[in-house]
Amino acid sequence: SYVLTQPPSVSVAPGQTARITCGGNNIGSKSVHWYQQKPGQAPVLVVYDDSDRPSGIPERFSGSNSGNTATLTISRVEAGDEADYYCQVWDSSSDHQGVFGTGTKVTVL
Amino acid sequence: EVQLVESGGGLVKPGGSLRLSCAASGFTFSSYSMNWVRQAPGKGLEWVSSISSSSSYIYYADSVKGRFTISRDNAKNSLYLQMNSLRAEDTAVYYCARGQTYYYGSGSMRGYYFDYWGQGTLVTVSS
Repeated sequence: SYVLTQPPSVSVAPGQTARITCGGNNIGSKSVHWYQQKPGQAPVLVVYDDSDRPSGIPERFSGSNSGNTATLTISRVEAGDEADYYCQVWDSSSDHQGVFGTGTKVTVL
Repeated sequence: EVQLVESGGGLVKPGGSLRLSCAASGFTFSSYSMNWVRQAPGKGLEWVSSISSSSSYIYYADSVKGRFTISRDNAKNSLYLQMNSLRAEDTAVYYCARGQTYYYGSGSMRGYYFDYWGQGTLVTVSS
């Protein structure tokens, strides 16, 4: 089955840039989606199709995807961005299955 | 406003069964795929199952295949998850999520992502 690997944690000072990676075999050939989850809340979609943002998501959230790594970038980080972030792809190589990354805790210092 | 409200969670003994429901409103339910995603306490997200808009296509995670059954009733704007032979490792918050489908250029389905989520219902499997 397809595996997505994320760093367990990323720390960033307010106003700086946070980059969260999502590694997978030839992930650049897949569409990657990103979710933000704050404690006790349901996940929220923040980026879809590698780099598109749903309405209502700030432009500070951006995504890229190439080779074996996809990246979610949060610019001008705010205290309210502190959350867990998950990448997700759909693996249609054999059985169709959804796959989530291991998750990254973003801490705002 | 899109709303997804899960119900049916609770405490069940190992080997038991439970049926989850998800009531949808604020969108044309019959036009979207629907999905179940779960999260064990203190753990990450795990995709469980997906069903296409007309129930033509159904997919399951290997961890639940043969034990769980996803279904939907478009007339009632409702999604269901029948869970049988429950195990301790099925303990989790179960989220209902609306799916957006994306396609290859050939028109075949490439995948789903999840644009709206419910607040979840907790399933605890314990003796």
